[in-house]
Amino acid sequence: ETGVTQTPRHLVMGMTNKKSLKCEQHLGHNAMYWYKQSAKKPLELMFVYSLEERVENNSVPSRFSPECPNSSHLFLHLHTLQPEDSALYLCASSQDGLGFDEQFFGPGTRLTVL
Amino acid sequence: DQQVKQNSPSLSVQEGRISILNCDYTNSMFDYFLWYKKYPAEGPTFLISISSIKDKNEDGRFTVFLNKSAKHLSLHIVPSQPGDSAVYFCAASERETSGSRLTFGEGTQLTVNP
Repeated sequence: ETGVTQTPRHLVMGMTNKKSLKCEQHLGHNAMYWYKQSAKKPLELMFVYSLEERVENNSVPSRFSPECPNSSHLFLHLHTLQPEDSALYLCASSQDGLGFDEQFFGPGTRLTVL
Repeated sequence: DQQVKQNSPSLSVQEGRISILNCDYTNSMFDYFLWYKKYPAEGPTFLISISSIKDKNEDGRFTVFLNKSAKHLSLHIVPSQPGDSAVYFCAASERETSGSRLTFGEGTQLTVNP
C-alpha cells in the first residue's frame, strides 16, 4: 500500500449505530487530519493531530470521536449520528502540522446516515 | 462566513486552449495558497501553491497568479488537456499563526473537451 488509505470506502449506518472510519498513511508523516465534505460545500477541517496529539478540534459535535494511536493511523469513531452527517469524510497527512508542506489525501469514505 | 470562494461551479474549455480558474478570499491574514485537483472516487491531490510574498508561481502547464490587493488568485492551465478534467479546489492558510489549517473553496468542475 502506498500513500493514504481509508476504509471502508462506503458506509451506510442507522442513527443508533456505532461505527469507525479508519485511515492509514504510508508516507512517514507526523500530522494527520479529518475533513468533512458535504454536498455543494467546501471541505471542512474537523480534527488535526500532530505527533499523535490533537492540536485542533474545529467545534465538532461529540458524536464524532477521533483517535490517533500512532503517527500512521487515525480513526474516527461515530455514534448516534444524524442524517445531516451524511457526507464524504476525507483523511489527509502531512510531514508536520506546521503548514509548510502540502497535505496528501486519502480517497475518502462516503457515509450515509439513515 | 465563507472565507474562500470559487464563484464558478463549472468551466468548460476546448482541448489546447487556456483554462482559467478563479478564487477569491476575504481573510487578509492568509499567507499561503494552494490548488488541489480531485478526480471522482479519489481524494484531492496537491497541484501547485504560492506564498503571499510572490505574485506568480509556475510549474509546467500550471501557473498560479496572486493579486493580494484584490484578494484574488487564479490558476491557469495551458494548453488544457482532456485529462485535466476534474474538480479544482482553491485553499488558503495562515501558516504563521494557524499552521496547517486549510480553508477550502467549494470547487470548480473543469471539463476539457477533445
